[in-house]
Amino acid sequence: DAGVTQSPTHLIKTRGQQVTLRCSPKSGHDTVSWYQQALGQGPQFIFQYYEEEERQRGNFPDRFSGHQFPNYSSELNVNALLLGDSALYLCASSFLGLAGKGEETQYFGPGTRLLVL
Amino acid sequence: DAKTTQPPSMDCAEGRAANLPCNHSTISGNEYVYWYRQIHSQGPQYIIHGLKNNETNEMASLIITEDRKSSTLILPHATLRDTAVYYCIARFSGYSTLTFGKGTMLLVSP
Repeated sequence: DAGVTQSPTHLIKTRGQQVTLRCSPKSGHDTVSWYQQALGQGPQFIFQYYEEEERQRGNFPDRFSGHQFPNYSSELNVNALLLGDSALYLCASSFLGLAGKGEETQYFGPGTRLLVL
Repeated sequence: DAKTTQPPSMDCAEGRAANLPCNHSTISGNEYVYWYRQIHSQGPQYIIHGLKNNETNEMASLIITEDRKSSTLILPHATLRDTAVYYCIARFSGYSTLTFGKGTMLLVSP
């Protein structure tokens, strides 16, 4: 049973560019959450997708956007990259089920390390 | 979600039990206590969670005080591979997200 997978593992971009990160949830999961982890800090919540809609959002600018596909996989897009966007980007999946009554423990992928030069 | 407080660092000898404390004095009655750990540069790994009762799985035990204001994660026989940052998180079920603090850096030594 594959766990949460993320691609790519590492990425180098320059300021002003745009980046897309991808996440495939654990089998049977329907919800994807994205987190940003700067060096030496704990992960910070970006947003959560359920039923192909953004359900919750953390304190991140509109440059950060996402999408969830019918197969529950998800993308995180960041536009107009800044040096401060350099971080480990983590995807976590969980199962909410109908009416959000699932167990909902979040399981994390290995992350994508983004470096903005 | 309630704020949690953890010591910044702890040491443990290999083979001994590691007891990691967490204070969550403002926790609500329907907030769960979750524990994750993160080995350097990897994604956080889920360990265990509980609401009121003590819980045990193949990785660890979770002891929650009767008033639910604090808890302890117990790794019964710590190994070098248990060296990691351990996060204690209080959260509601449903759509609730995870709010990470600074966690406890556990160093297991030979």
